[in-house]
Amino acid sequence: DQQVKQNSPSLSVQEGRISILNCDYTNSMFDYFLWYKKYPAEGPTFLISISSIKDKNEDGRFTVFLNKSAKHLSLHIVPSQPGDSAVYFCAASGIQGGKLIFGQGTELSVKP
Amino acid sequence: GAVVSQHPSWVICKSGTSVKIECRSLDFQATTMFWYRQFPKQSLMLMATSNEGSKATYEQGVEKDKFLINHASLTLSTLTVTSAHPEDSSFYICSARGVGHRNYGYTFGSGTRLTVV
Repeated sequence: DQQVKQNSPSLSVQEGRISILNCDYTNSMFDYFLWYKKYPAEGPTFLISISSIKDKNEDGRFTVFLNKSAKHLSLHIVPSQPGDSAVYFCAASGIQGGKLIFGQGTELSVKP
Repeated sequence: GAVVSQHPSWVICKSGTSVKIECRSLDFQATTMFWYRQFPKQSLMLMATSNEGSKATYEQGVEKDKFLINHASLTLSTLTVTSAHPEDSSFYICSARGVGHRNYGYTFGSGTRLTVV
């Protein structure tokens, strides 16, 4: 039972353009959502998070949008840079500090 | 701040032997640690949650006698893969959470690549 889903295994974007990574979840008890960036053979690096009481959180080039009614969140990266190329995971938790459930990941490739 | 050190970064062991992986929080007290495993091009699957001084809580399908988790102090948790077999080969990652920790409390280690031959 995949509670957090990232349906696009890969995404290719031109440098300078917007990257939009999507994530869907099925568990309505999830209250906290996080995005991580990961390189092969390394641990995930935290990017940005959002609480269910908000619908948007912005940090520099990264913005996360949450649509609770649709159980959908997205990560926008603007402008995209080649250094953004990595695998991006969304994760969800039912309570603050509780266990994280991860999506399958989306591999982003930003081409110069 | 909020650094988690995990080692070894990679290990090769013979089938039937045991391997210990360490996860240390360097600059904060980790009240809770999480252990994940990741197969190639797949998601991070939570194996267990451990609270300092308590027995670990294992996710469904994870053999607690095979994957021994110890969290004896606020800065150290260990995962021991006992009687390892080739199917245990995977990438293991720990995550630590401390009281008042930012990012809702999750900092990940750099992972351990285990290969059982």
